[in-house]
Amino acid sequence: NAGVTQTPKFRVLKTGQSMTLLCAQDMNHEYMYWYRQDPGMGLRLIHYSVGEGTTAKGEVPDGYNVSRLKKQNFLLGLESAAPSQTSVYFCASSHLQRTSGTPRETQYFGPGTRLLVL
Amino acid sequence: GENVEQHPSTLSVQEGDSAVIKCTYSDSASNYFPWYKQELGKGPQLIIDIRSNVGEKKDQRIAVTLNKTAKHFSLHITETQPEDSAVYFCAATPLINTGTASKLTFGTGTRLQVTL
Repeated sequence: NAGVTQTPKFRVLKTGQSMTLLCAQDMNHEYMYWYRQDPGMGLRLIHYSVGEGTTAKGEVPDGYNVSRLKKQNFLLGLESAAPSQTSVYFCASSHLQRTSGTPRETQYFGPGTRLLVL
Repeated sequence: GENVEQHPSTLSVQEGDSAVIKCTYSDSASNYFPWYKQELGKGPQLIIDIRSNVGEKKDQRIAVTLNKTAKHFSLHITETQPEDSAVYFCAATPLINTGTASKLTFGTGTRLQVTL
């Protein structure tokens, strides 16, 4: 099991360029997430998906688009990169452990993609 | 929406001492509180979590406590070791038994350094 993998590991873009970050998971998880991590701000949710063909906005969705055409893949797109999008991007996947009481959920994170926009 | 505050932002302890990290949350509907550890250059990894139906949970040297009335929860690490050095994040979310994903709200992180 590779778990959650992300490509590329590092990328430098010029302002206005576009790119796609790829996330893949081999745990058959229903849910997938994209976060960005900035110094002093923790992790903030960009977009998420509850299943193949579905996506939803998170806390900071502006400037990003996502697609989940296959259950195991979740793509994050930047159509026109801006310096404010310089960050470390993490993908995560999970499934909900349903119980009779309060459920629990473990999110498994990928190793991250470091993006620098000049 | 949920707001999670985490303190301190940095914490330095000597090997063998205990470390405590505290978080507060704002949404009374939150019922699931995980803690993640992030080592340098890696993604966060779940180390322990607690649900709102219990007040304390322990796993070897790590324990988490939850006070629902005060809306705060804490991570306790005893007998700290150099390998405990990392950034720790708390998070909170309301989880329900339906097909909706959790939208974790994370704290801003605590950089723990364990010195020899």
